[in-house]
Amino acid sequence: QVQLQESGPGLVKPSQTLSLTCTVSGDSISSNTYFWSWIRQPAGKGLEWIGRIFSSGSINYNPSLKSRLTISLDTSQNQFSLKLSSVTAADTAVYYCARGTGTMEDYWGQGTQVTVSS
Amino acid sequence: SYDLTQPLSVSVALGQTARVTCEGNNIGRKNVHWYQQKPGQAPVLVMYRDYSRPSGIPDRFSGSNSGNTATLIISRVEPGDEADYYCQVWDNITEFFGTGTKVTVL
Repeated sequence: QVQLQESGPGLVKPSQTLSLTCTVSGDSISSNTYFWSWIRQPAGKGLEWIGRIFSSGSINYNPSLKSRLTISLDTSQNQFSLKLSSVTAADTAVYYCARGTGTMEDYWGQGTQVTVSS
Repeated sequence: SYDLTQPLSVSVALGQTARVTCEGNNIGRKNVHWYQQKPGQAPVLVMYRDYSRPSGIPDRFSGSNSGNTATLIISRVEPGDEADYYCQVWDNITEFFGTGTKVTVL
């Protein structure tokens, strides 16, 4: 059974860079079958897709976030990461990592709250 | 951008059938997936590629997709079905979620 776990600071100052890591167990992120996604959800609001990375290294970003985003893989640690620069209060949300296949996400992490505040 | 519109809320009596719609331009040409999210929890995939159920999802859940509307159908609704439901599609390489529907069991 695949499991995903997000980790990273819960509080980030405005204008700084938000950095999160997703640790995957029960599956290899090097698998060609899947891709690895980040999705966020502000409190009381809906889901917003952030981006995805394939084992090949190919990356797709949400166009509205692309200029501030970096998603990367660390196959040695079986992890993938998210960096979002120049954050504002609008980036405050629960951030989820997930495994994707086809055009869906079939397994999700439990989510981690990130608050942007000075 | 690709807009996916869902009703804000759907109320259904215990044991009856709930229908959650997801409207998008020619959505019938896309694969639609549905997620269930309970308070404080991560979303769970409950329907994929319009009408396929993941392992462990009861057959009370079904789906359809045609024209400009995809529908998640929950038959014989139980208290545990009370949750937010989101539809999701890919448009080119970008992923979009619906606005979300809160299903309330009366």
